[in-house]
Amino acid sequence: KAGVTQTPRYLIKTRGQQVTLSCSPISGHRSVSWYQQTPGQGLQFLFEYFSETQRNKGNFPGRFSGRQFSNSRSEMNVSTLELGDSALYLCASSWGATPEDNSPLHFGNGTRLTVT
Amino acid sequence: DQQVKQNSPSLSVQEGRISILNCDYTNSMFDYFLWYKKYPAEGPTFLISISSIKDKNEDGRFTVFLNKSAKHLSLHIVPSQPGDSAVYFCAASAPIYNQGGKLIFGQGTELSVKP
Repeated sequence: KAGVTQTPRYLIKTRGQQVTLSCSPISGHRSVSWYQQTPGQGLQFLFEYFSETQRNKGNFPGRFSGRQFSNSRSEMNVSTLELGDSALYLCASSWGATPEDNSPLHFGNGTRLTVT
Repeated sequence: DQQVKQNSPSLSVQEGRISILNCDYTNSMFDYFLWYKKYPAEGPTFLISISSIKDKNEDGRFTVFLNKSAKHLSLHIVPSQPGDSAVYFCAASAPIYNQGGKLIFGQGTELSVKP
């Protein structure tokens, strides 16, 4: 069974640009979450999508947005990039069908974004 | 305000001995806890979880203990192997977050198992 796939693995952008990251969840998983990992802040929750609807959102500015498609694939977009956006962006998927469904998140290998 | 804390940034253990990684939390609403292992340049890999209705969960060499009154959980690895060398993250979730997509992570503990 294929795992969570994230593309691209590495990305270099300049300040002010925008970027789109892609995530394909494990087959059958309908919940997709995004996390940002930085050395100083650790793993921070960005948002979560289920059946094309955003169900949860972390404390990030509106420059960070996402969407989910009918096949559960998800994209994350960051507009007007800042130097502080340099981080590893991780996507995770799970069954996530109900509030009681504590199925663990399965992570992809991430996209390393560098903003110069 | 860090709701999940791993106070030891690093831990070094001899191969074959027990590794004990600790995690403290402050939010009494947390009801589900997980441990993840992360190698460099890879995403975190799920190891083991525990619901707040239990105080122990075991899976092979890995055992997680939960002490709700102390708001403390620990991961025991017995016996430790060099391949266990990685960063270990503790994570927690609460019903208020409604679904499994939002986890609160600790800062991680880097485990080094020496041959």
